[in-house]
Amino acid sequence: KQEVTQIPAALSVPEGENLVLNCSFTDSAIYNLQWFRQDPGKGLTSLLLIQSSQREQTSGRLNASLDKSSGRSTLYIAASQPGDSATYLCAVSGNTPLVFGKGTRLSVIA
Amino acid sequence: GAVVSQHPSRVICKSGTSVKIECRSLDFQATTMFWYRQFPKQSLMLMATSNEGSKATYEQGVEKDKFLINHASLTLSTLTVTSAHPEDSSFYICSSAGGWVGAAETQYFGPGTRLLVL
Repeated sequence: KQEVTQIPAALSVPEGENLVLNCSFTDSAIYNLQWFRQDPGKGLTSLLLIQSSQREQTSGRLNASLDKSSGRSTLYIAASQPGDSATYLCAVSGNTPLVFGKGTRLSVIA
Repeated sequence: GAVVSQHPSRVICKSGTSVKIECRSLDFQATTMFWYRQFPKQSLMLMATSNEGSKATYEQGVEKDKFLINHASLTLSTLTVTSAHPEDSSFYICSSAGGWVGAAETQYFGPGTRLLVL
């Protein structure tokens, strides 16, 4: 059974700092991995999707990497801003629908 | 990306009543819809997968008689929480996909419905 773990559970950084969020999964037989953003009491916003054959994806200040063999992904956020404060969820898709991690709650302090 | 709406966004009900949540795919035909539940500070947990015109497939531990799912059209799926109790209070999120999700198919998520059972 696929399990997804995200570390850290919570993170607080000053504005402008670069940061890395970590995601690990137990079953490397995945089709893709996605990073989502969730604001309090809201739904999910898809940030990046990495196919299993890819190593990384970039969108603006966000860069996500995937090491399928080791079951790891990282989300790199450059020059963080207070508006980046949210919960970031990692999810993997394999033979079953998306399996989510518990997320990392990020607070960027102005 | 595609737009998925949910209604209502928030509902408060008395214990023992039934609550219906709608999930609509506004600009594409959703062959498959998913229902998730999220408790505070927890991850999204898949409850069931529904394919248009057929019975939903429920995840282990989810009571099909309590959480009734209907996917009667390619743009609408409903989740009915029957005889709701306080422990059913949660954030319910649906997602839509154009086909079977297991490959590169992207799921589009609704904004969620906050259910509070008193």
